[in-house]
Amino acid sequence: QQPVQSPQAVILREGEDAVINCSSSKALYSVHWYRQKHGEAPVFLMILLKGGEQKGHDKISASFNEKKQQSSLYLTASQLSYSGTYFCGTEGLANSGYSTLTFGKGTMLLVSP
Amino acid sequence: DSGVTQTPKHLITATGQRVTLRCSPRSGDLSVYWYQQSLDQGLQFLIQYYNGEERAKGNILERFSAQQFPDLHSELNLSSLELGDSALYFCASSVGNGRGETQYFGPGTRLLVL
Repeated sequence: QQPVQSPQAVILREGEDAVINCSSSKALYSVHWYRQKHGEAPVFLMILLKGGEQKGHDKISASFNEKKQQSSLYLTASQLSYSGTYFCGTEGLANSGYSTLTFGKGTMLLVSP
Repeated sequence: DSGVTQTPKHLITATGQRVTLRCSPRSGDLSVYWYQQSLDQGLQFLIQYYNGEERAKGNILERFSAQQFPDLHSELNLSSLELGDSALYFCASSVGNGRGETQYFGPGTRLLVL
């Protein structure tokens, strides 16, 4: 099942903060966050694993509440380059027994000067 | 640059035709994933291969097939194309079989079916 992202879109001024949320109804192994600019490939930002391990960019922070199957991405002191669509991908079990990523519909972020 | 390469970048074809999209994973990565991204459906997982074997299937149509070759590159074959197949097709790769691993996306192939 597709995770639900909120908000759908957000507009910020440079320097402002934003939080993007991702919620799933399934038990998860991990949550992955990506940013995609129009027409380009999704770029990896962060992975949060069950048990608390995190891997990602130093300037990005995120949280993963395993009990609630929710994750949040925190964008602080936003820069113009942060503009794009943010996707969360949740990792659950496929029918084959192997895990797959299911992506949310995305959150569009626009940072203006 | 993620290190994943995809060819061609753009593809324009007609309904009913067949096309092949190619993907080369990052050096050392054993898994390849295919995704379809359209405006209304978002990023949809199609299929995963690990070291030449199919691992997981998503919402892949029967008209679509894929394979991973011994040199680990992968091809996605789309046949009997319909207008609705127009989309961006991404390939991604990861080091192992996928669990808890970062997937790195290639630049994509933009397919337009006329």
